[in-house]
Amino acid sequence: QQPVQSPQAVILREGEDAVINCSSSKALYSVHWYRQKHGEAPVFLMILLKGGEQKGHEKISASFNEKKQQSSLYLTASQLSYSGTYFCGTLTNNDMRFGAGTRLTVKP
Amino acid sequence: DAGVIQSPRHEVTEMGQEVTLRCKPISGHDYLFWYRQTMMRGLELLIYFNNNVPIDDSGMPEDRFSAKMPNASFSTLKIQPSEPRDSAVYFCASSRQDPGKNIQYFGAGTRLSVL
Repeated sequence: QQPVQSPQAVILREGEDAVINCSSSKALYSVHWYRQKHGEAPVFLMILLKGGEQKGHEKISASFNEKKQQSSLYLTASQLSYSGTYFCGTLTNNDMRFGAGTRLTVKP
Repeated sequence: DAGVIQSPRHEVTEMGQEVTLRCKPISGHDYLFWYRQTMMRGLELLIYFNNNVPIDDSGMPEDRFSAKMPNASFSTLKIQPSEPRDSAVYFCASSRQDPGKNIQYFGAGTRLSVL
């Protein structure tokens, strides 16, 4: 079952912060975050594992609430390069599903 | 490493024709995934393989779609016969053992247009 992302879209000015949420109705083994720019392939941002382990890069952080089956991606001091569509992917019982995406636009 | 390589990058075909999409995963990766992306349905998992064996094909829309992985370095996704509603971007991705803990690397995608 597809995870639910919110908001669907957000517009920021450079330097502002944003939070993107991802929730699932099933128990999660891990949550993946990817960013996709228009016309390009999704690119890895972060993996959060049950138990607290994280793998990621860039100035982006995320949280994973196992009990609530939710994850949030935090984008601080946004830059123009952060623009794109952000997808969360959830893995439950070897079944990987992606959310519908959150379109983030950062304006000067 | 060259990354995940997909071909062709663009494919335009007429309804009823057979279409074959190709993917070369990153060397050493045990998992290979096929996704379809459309505006309406987002990014959908079609099928994935572990060590060349199909594990879950529940996302394959119908019998017109088939996927094979004859060896660790090559996979195909075939649509026969193709229909206009199959128009989408098809991505192939690969990851190391235990995809839950490892990054999925996506290919550049194949943009399919069925007229």
